[in-house]
Amino acid sequence: GAVVSQHPSRVICKSGTSVKIECRSLDFQATTMFWYRQFPKQSLMLMATSNEGSKATYEQGVEKDKFLINHASLTLSTLTVTSAHPEDSSFYICSARVTSRTDTQYFGPGTRLTVL
Amino acid sequence: SQQGEEDPQALSIQEGENATMNCSYKTSINNLQWYRQNSGRGLVHLILIRSNEREKHSGRLRVTLDTSKKSSSLLITASRAADTASYFCATDGRDSSYKLIFGSGTRLLVRP
Repeated sequence: GAVVSQHPSRVICKSGTSVKIECRSLDFQATTMFWYRQFPKQSLMLMATSNEGSKATYEQGVEKDKFLINHASLTLSTLTVTSAHPEDSSFYICSARVTSRTDTQYFGPGTRLTVL
Repeated sequence: SQQGEEDPQALSIQEGENATMNCSYKTSINNLQWYRQNSGRGLVHLILIRSNEREKHSGRLRVTLDTSKKSSSLLITASRAADTASYFCATDGRDSSYKLIFGSGTRLLVRP
């Protein structure tokens, strides 16, 4: 099956710094990637939809200037958490939609962000 | 915002018993999917059921969909300790955005 990787798997940073998380589709092309955030013992909340070559579409309540998304190629999307604060500590998960199969998304293993 | 709710929020059963989880959603859908998540890990896709399907099976899993009630259920038969995880339903709406909206999840504990 299709594989999606995320890097890093864990990151700890100081408050005020920026953190970049990468999401890669390893063996397929993904026109669209999605970014989710998950707080402990809660469900996944969709943050934004990332389309290759165009601006990301953010869900209501998600600050686009704080969570910068770049989908520069058909296999890579990045999420940058700018000026991170402790309340940004969360589990960030990406998914990639297989271009040829619109109903299929594959999820990355997630990135645990801890902001001190 | 989340599409809907799942119940129960938590379920504890003995190994060998069946586990049933329910999911309700709010808007029209193209399909509904069930995922499993072990603690601190990514999601594993379990099964997809389309809006024109009523029931689907995959191994020990049985999923039903009732679009008139906007609800779905996931049945795991003959549960094992390894089935301990959180289970989420996710709906794909008819707005062509391909966004998945997740339910609140059920935490399943299967006691050996």
